[in-house]
Amino acid sequence: KNEVEQSPQNLTAQEGEFITINCSYSVGISALHWLQQHPGGGIVSLFMLSSGKKKHGRLIATINIQEKHSSLHITASHPRDSAVYICACIRGAQKLVFGQGTRLTINP
Amino acid sequence: SQTIHQWPATLVQPVGSPLSLECTVEGTSNPNLYWYRQAAGRGLQLLFYSVGIGQISSEVPQNLSASRPQDRQFILSSKKLLLSDSGFYLCAWSRITGPLFNYGYTFGSGTRLTVV
Repeated sequence: KNEVEQSPQNLTAQEGEFITINCSYSVGISALHWLQQHPGGGIVSLFMLSSGKKKHGRLIATINIQEKHSSLHITASHPRDSAVYICACIRGAQKLVFGQGTRLTINP
Repeated sequence: SQTIHQWPATLVQPVGSPLSLECTVEGTSNPNLYWYRQAAGRGLQLLFYSVGIGQISSEVPQNLSASRPQDRQFILSSKKLLLSDSGFYLCAWSRITGPLFNYGYTFGSGTRLTVV
């Protein structure tokens, strides 16, 4: 079993739908990243959070440390949101342990 | 501002040939540096990390090695590439500048390596 599990692995939705991607982890962490990887491979950090909730534009990330669970939400989804979203847990020396990623496709 | 440079962007190498990928960071000092790999159809995995010059920690046994000859330079190498070394290699740096919410983590643009 992976230390960091994401669901779903693939998600296809229509433009405008509300999107939720889930991340569960079994390891002790100091914080958690949500990352976005575009088809070319480049990775951008969307959020780093250690408690509660963060919001940036149409993106919202939440984390429940006690339940070892985090979610990434996208409101009013758009085709340009299509990408792979990766949950990554921060361990000692700021090393990242990654989930397998969720491939999101938003159709117009 | 801090930037990270990684090159080359793509590389096709024959089996048995050597490898050298380079990553440099600008705009910060004493960063933690990382090499990650993403094999086809799989998630990212940490290969090496470094907390200072000459200090390298390996996370998984493999055909690769890493070196940090300067504070802001991190090199991934192999003497003889294997087919299984193909993948997408990402360099990254991190630095905690204060409370955890000032934590920075930045990825390079990646190198897509195909061993043929």
